[in-house]
Amino acid sequence: AQSVAQPEDQVNVAEGNPLTVKCTYSVSGNPYLFWYVQYPNRGLQFLLKYITGDNLVKGSYGFEAEFNKSQTSFHLKKPSALVSDSALYFCAVRDKGGNNDMRFGAGTRLTVKP
Amino acid sequence: SAVISQKPSRDICQRGTSLTIQCQVDSQVTMMFWYRQQPGQSLTLIATANQGSEATYESGFVIDKFPISRPNLTFSTLTVSNMSPEDSSIYLCSVDRTGGGTEAFFGQGTRLTVV
Repeated sequence: AQSVAQPEDQVNVAEGNPLTVKCTYSVSGNPYLFWYVQYPNRGLQFLLKYITGDNLVKGSYGFEAEFNKSQTSFHLKKPSALVSDSALYFCAVRDKGGNNDMRFGAGTRLTVKP
Repeated sequence: SAVISQKPSRDICQRGTSLTIQCQVDSQVTMMFWYRQQPGQSLTLIATANQGSEATYESGFVIDKFPISRPNLTFSTLTVSNMSPEDSSIYLCSVDRTGGGTEAFFGQGTRLTVV
């Protein structure tokens, strides 16, 4: 069965600095990988995904993520953090060869300080 | 994308009672999923609800406790039965048109508190 790990439950960065939120995955086959963001009292919003092709994918709000097959990682990045990026971030995986349910990591709370 | 409306957005319920959560989608979708997000936790899949078939429950979740209906391609309900304080969570409806590499979309969630 597929799974994801987000090794940091909290990430703190200063506004204007680059940010990285880490994610590693485990699947029996090839993965579909996703990042979602959750603001307080809201549902999850889709940020970006990796299906195939270019390992660097760009998504909403200036976020990007790099798929690294050898390290089984899919870290979320942004060159310059904003205070408004402060939220809960979830990495998710779906196994290409499996059923269609999506498995989520534990989440990482990002705090961007002015 | 898909617009998903969940009702109610929040509720406070007495233990031993049941609550039915509704999920309405603005377009027809094959796959609908129900998740639970306990306080400070990640999302846990409760069940997959595809139209025309019985819901498929994940390990640790049973139909008697979480009955699901899926009468058509735009609507589903999840009932939390015989509630206890341990059921206090956010319950999220999610839809996915085709699975695979397509992203899932989520409702805003139902925040349930059982007292």
